[in-house]
Amino acid sequence: DVKVTQSSRYLVKRTGEKVFLECVQDMDHENMFWYRQDPGLGLRLIYFSYDVKMKEKGDIPEGYSVSREKKERFSLILESASTNQTSMYLCASSLLGQGPGYTFGSGTRLTVV
Amino acid sequence: QQPVQSPQAVILREGEDAVINCSSSKALYSVHWYRQKHGEAPVFLMILLKGGEQKGHEKISASFNEKKQQSSLYLTASQLSYSGTYFCGTEMGRTYKYIFGTGTRLKVLA
Repeated sequence: DVKVTQSSRYLVKRTGEKVFLECVQDMDHENMFWYRQDPGLGLRLIYFSYDVKMKEKGDIPEGYSVSREKKERFSLILESASTNQTSMYLCASSLLGQGPGYTFGSGTRLTVV
Repeated sequence: QQPVQSPQAVILREGEDAVINCSSSKALYSVHWYRQKHGEAPVFLMILLKGGEQKGHEKISASFNEKKQQSSLYLTASQLSYSGTYFCGTEMGRTYKYIFGTGTRLKVLA
């Protein structure tokens, strides 16, 4: 069964810490995405990547960066965590062509205190 | 650019029908529909490409009207398992990047 795996289900970090969220997919998908999900706001796109070492900003990239050194792994980095970054973070992947949509990971619930 | 979904929430009895709408202010290339159950990842339901096609998946189908820049999800003879939050994702041009609506919470009661 195809999978998108996010390394942590729950994470608690302190304000100002550098935080790494990891996402790995085993489907050889070209595209990978990071979204955050907040009540009433739906899913908002932070960053995405079409290929190794390529990245593009989504709608809310401020305070975040990403890294894609290998095709299967896409990392989201919070340079200096703040309380307004407390959220559910969802990683997704998809094929480059007209594939069957996104496959999402189970999410990481990040709390910044 | 975030698509607008309506209604925001709906409660049904088993066997009833529902329609969820997704409207965009921009021209659309394609629309995705997803269902997310509480505490779980969103699950892909279907994709609709421009061309006004209608697709079906069990008792769930959807249409895409590119002129009106909107898509509708139809749930017929709803089942308890249909409960969850439904999201549409819209793509403007062939970018593979989808912008999601704020979701529609659907609850089916026995």
